[in-house]
Amino acid sequence: GQNIDQPTEMTATEGAIVQINCTYQTSGFNGLFWYQQHAGEAPTFLSYNVLDGLEEKGRFSSFLSRSKGYSYLLLKELQMKDSASYLCAVRGARGSYIPTFGRGTSLIVHP
Amino acid sequence: DTAVSQTPKYLVTQMGNDKSIKCEQNLGHDTMYWYKQDSKKFLKIMFSYNNKELIINETVPNRFSPKSPDKAHLNLHINSLELGDSAVYFCASSPGAAGEGNEQFFGPGTRLTVL
Repeated sequence: GQNIDQPTEMTATEGAIVQINCTYQTSGFNGLFWYQQHAGEAPTFLSYNVLDGLEEKGRFSSFLSRSKGYSYLLLKELQMKDSASYLCAVRGARGSYIPTFGRGTSLIVHP
Repeated sequence: DTAVSQTPKYLVTQMGNDKSIKCEQNLGHDTMYWYKQDSKKFLKIMFSYNNKELIINETVPNRFSPKSPDKAHLNLHINSLELGDSAVYFCASSPGAAGEGNEQFFGPGTRLTVL
């Protein structure tokens, strides 16, 4: 089976940096995704990590450590529009390509 | 221009009814999915279709049946609706075979309320 753990809620200030952690236990590993979901909207893809290290994409970066079963999403220069739920999803062993989603972290950015 | 579209956006119905939700993607993707997102915001896979063949079917009640008339469409039919079926249902698609490192593109969701 697969177990994915994220904090339920985080708050941060506009302009600041926030790190959202995700830990996972899976039978095998074949990639980790981060998605952003605004209230009442569909999830949208942010990043994909399959090898250890940091992937940077503009204000957003995602880090992966496979040995630790750990990832984080780093958001810099926070904007009010970054208030959303951030979903960590892990794809397990080969033959089961569908990612399993965590419950998401609700990020509230305040002025 | 909508990449993945679903209809209807809202669906309110009585227990015991049968309903369908339609999904279409114009991205030319090979794989389509149905997810259920409950009140606790868990996004759970229900079905995945690749080239009209069901390749993943999680432990979903057989009241739910996916139907794919062609590669661009994956509809969800639900028989004998129950209160616990109330949720937001998302359709998604991805290029290539199911999951091969590819992101999923989600539709806008269908909010189903069973009374």
